[in-house]
Amino acid sequence: GAVVSQHPSWVICKSGTSVKIECRSLDFQATTMFWYRQFPKQSLMLMATSNEGSKATYEQGVEKDKFLINHASLTLSTLTVTSAHPEDSSFYICSASLVADTQYFGPGTRLTVL
Amino acid sequence: AQTVTQSQPEMSVQEAETVTLSCTYDTSESDYYLFWYKQPPSRQMILVIRQEAYKQQNATENRFSVNFQKAAKSFSLKISDSQLGDAAMYFCAYLVGGAQKLVFGQGTRLTINP
Repeated sequence: GAVVSQHPSWVICKSGTSVKIECRSLDFQATTMFWYRQFPKQSLMLMATSNEGSKATYEQGVEKDKFLINHASLTLSTLTVTSAHPEDSSFYICSASLVADTQYFGPGTRLTVL
Repeated sequence: AQTVTQSQPEMSVQEAETVTLSCTYDTSESDYYLFWYKQPPSRQMILVIRQEAYKQQNATENRFSVNFQKAAKSFSLKISDSQLGDAAMYFCAYLVGGAQKLVFGQGTRLTINP
């Protein structure tokens, strides 16, 4: 139980294009989903918290117009990186809460912007 | 602000032996949760163990156990009978009760020597 999927697992795009990453909770309904970014050999950095049916809450320093988050249903949240640039290349991980205090993580998406 | 510190960037252990990973945290809260997550080379974050601060009994999950010292704000992870599949990055994390934001430590890379 508590399985979270992400799609795609890796994506390469050209600078200036937009990329959408999907996060799904497969066997439970998640009222809250989270988006993290992880640089090589570093810890996870929370980008935003997403609650179903409401606007995402972004962490300080995260550009909400660049990283668009939509949480339209209890099982799906999407992160769109708009007008991507090489500095946006990173590993993006989502998680979902089954109970209020425990997060289950997706397998991550590796984004490379050329 | 809550912080989580993992003072051991790297650890290694012989297969079948026991290893302990250290974690300390700083908080003024009384209601909180502590976690250990494992991130193998696949980069999938896997929940290893969870501890509620109000519980005095240390959590255990098969070969994994914690030593939770609330007064000292210490939360170490003991891995018994280490296996090759235990090789991974281990992250200690903290969550205030009722809040949603996980705070991660810097991680400890564990190597298992055959």
